[in-house]
Amino acid sequence: EIVMTQSPATLSVSPGERVTLSCRASKSVASNLAWYQHRPGQAPSLLIHGASTRATGIPARFSGSGSGTEFTLTISSLQSEDFAVYYCQQYNYWPPGTFGQGTKVEIK
Amino acid sequence: EAQLVESGGGLVQPGGSLRVSCAASGFTFSSYSMNWVRQAPGKGLEWVSYISSDSSSIYYADSVKGRFTISRDNAKNSLYLQMNTLRDEDTAVYYCARGPISDWFCDFWGRGILVTVSS
Repeated sequence: EIVMTQSPATLSVSPGERVTLSCRASKSVASNLAWYQHRPGQAPSLLIHGASTRATGIPARFSGSGSGTEFTLTISSLQSEDFAVYYCQQYNYWPPGTFGQGTKVEIK
Repeated sequence: EAQLVESGGGLVQPGGSLRVSCAASGFTFSSYSMNWVRQAPGKGLEWVSYISSDSSSIYYADSVKGRFTISRDNAKNSLYLQMNTLRDEDTAVYYCARGPISDWFCDFWGRGILVTVSS
């Protein structure tokens, strides 16, 4: 089973800052990687698929990059509604579509 | 507007059974694959099960294989997860999530339903 490792576990940032989240796969997953945002008590939402394609309606401040084993989610200027937990998921070796353990973005 | 609404959660004793449901609206349910994903308290997301649009392909996580059964009724726009022989570690919020046509990630999610396994 592919292991997805996200770093850091928690990121304390101020609104307006640029944020970079990392996700590493235990073996190459090509570009078959998705990023999700999960606010407490709400439905998770798809941000990015195919490592770099923004989902419908996702603001341009969210961008994804990487391929193989190293991936990055960047939020160019953090807004108040962006404080949440972010998960990566590989779907190259499916099933199962393994998730990372998440990165919590909290207010500094 | 697409909507997924889970129901049927609650408290069940270890070894017991429960069926959770997901009602879909606002999109052509019969065209999409569906998944169940869960989140245990204080933990991350864990994929549980998948069913193709026509129910011809079904997959389970090893942790639930042989105990959980996924099904769907396209006429009723509904997805189900029958959970038997429940264990403490099955305690989680269960989300139904739509899979896009011909891909394996989840492009739309419900808000989830809590299942608590405890004596």
